[in-house]
Amino acid sequence: DAKTTQPPSMDCAEGRAANLPCNHSTISGNEYVYWYRQIHSQGPQYIIHGLKNNETNEMASLIITEDRKSSTLILPHATLRDTAVYYCIVSTGTASKLTFGTGTRLQVTL
Amino acid sequence: EAEVAQSPRYKITEKSQAVAFWCDPISGHATLYWYRQILGQGPELLVQFQDESVVDDSQLPKDRFSAERLKGVDSTLKIQPAELGDSAMYLCASSLAGESTDTQYFGPGTRLTVL
Repeated sequence: DAKTTQPPSMDCAEGRAANLPCNHSTISGNEYVYWYRQIHSQGPQYIIHGLKNNETNEMASLIITEDRKSSTLILPHATLRDTAVYYCIVSTGTASKLTFGTGTRLQVTL
Repeated sequence: EAEVAQSPRYKITEKSQAVAFWCDPISGHATLYWYRQILGQGPELLVQFQDESVVDDSQLPKDRFSAERLKGVDSTLKIQPAELGDSAMYLCASSLAGESTDTQYFGPGTRLTVL
């Protein structure tokens, strides 16, 4: 599975959009981009995934660049409950293990 | 909403003792994963089951760790004997089947402390 690079930490004011970047320059054509988050002392929670098109669900939006070498997770209106470690993972998704990095620690503040 | 269940949530043991963790995946999920997460790091896969068969245990320290999923439903992960370095969060995840875009759903984890 391809490696990903994420900033170690980010801050965001409550109510503002949180934009979390991820670089995956060695991604293969059959690999998806997944985002999970982990709130303190809980198990990781699935957020969203995509192949090459932008995706949106009730939690977030995922923007993937045309060359697929990077992506951005967007939380449109961050709340204090969104404070967590966010992991960007690339995987074929076919019963494949998830290779987690160290993620981005997002701190949402008042 | 269906969830992955794990027990116990916390376990404290002394080194050289045996410990066991239990996981009940979401009903109908054929694939089950055990991950270990050391403090400050992301989870790492220990073992993956498809139904009752092991499909990946390459990162499982087989001299002391064992895992089973006898009836292809719930699973047990055992450590014997436990070592200080085994202190970590042990996470179980499950997914529906080995298909593309297979989403993994995680349980709350078991936090193990080895004294």
